[in-house]
Amino acid sequence: SAVISQKPSRDICQRGTSLTIQCQVDSQVTMMFWYRQQPGQSLTLIATANQGSEATYESGFVIDKFPISRPNLTFSTLTVSNMSPEDSSIYLCSASTHDYEQYFGPGTRLTVT
Amino acid sequence: AQSVAQPEDQVNVAEGNPLTVKCTYSVSGNPYLFWYVQYPNRGLQFLLKYITGDNLVKGSYGFEAEFNKSQTSFHLKKPSALVSDSALYFCAVRDSYQAGTALIFGKGTTLSVSS
Repeated sequence: SAVISQKPSRDICQRGTSLTIQCQVDSQVTMMFWYRQQPGQSLTLIATANQGSEATYESGFVIDKFPISRPNLTFSTLTVSNMSPEDSSIYLCSASTHDYEQYFGPGTRLTVT
Repeated sequence: AQSVAQPEDQVNVAEGNPLTVKCTYSVSGNPYLFWYVQYPNRGLQFLLKYITGDNLVKGSYGFEAEFNKSQTSFHLKKPSALVSDSALYFCAVRDSYQAGTALIFGKGTTLSVSS
């Protein structure tokens, strides 16, 4: 299993600024992912964080807006750049292991004013 | 492409009655199927998974799910609902041919259990 922590847990930011969210896993995992969830709605995959190389983005998400780093097997960051109110959402870090399960962090609740 | 559908936005059931939350999927290969639950202002909690083996999978909190390959379904069930089961439930799928990829989630079903 894997326990995932995220920082910050929530933040209120002004439009035009950027926020970096940190994700730490307590064990080495094979894959790490970032999702977005608007309140009461489903999870949308933003990207797969690849260790030591550029992240793989899903349709509709671009690196300039959501730069992602994964310097090692247990840590990743997601930056939400040049924020607008439409970016207000919950951002979830996730990781999968060899047992096929996928674990989730508690989420970062972002409000952009 | 893989996808998952949860046809019901909301399911209402009385406490003590059986509950079913529906899920259907579409994958190219064999499906890896999951159910998660999310309580208000809480993170996503894993309930159960089907990878291979018995079609009836038992999970946390008395929940179970039945894998039906011919109907491409993976409905979540519980014999006797509790008020505390009220939450948002997500079905998710991964194609076995893409084992290293992320889960794809359904839109979610809100379960409301009345006392």
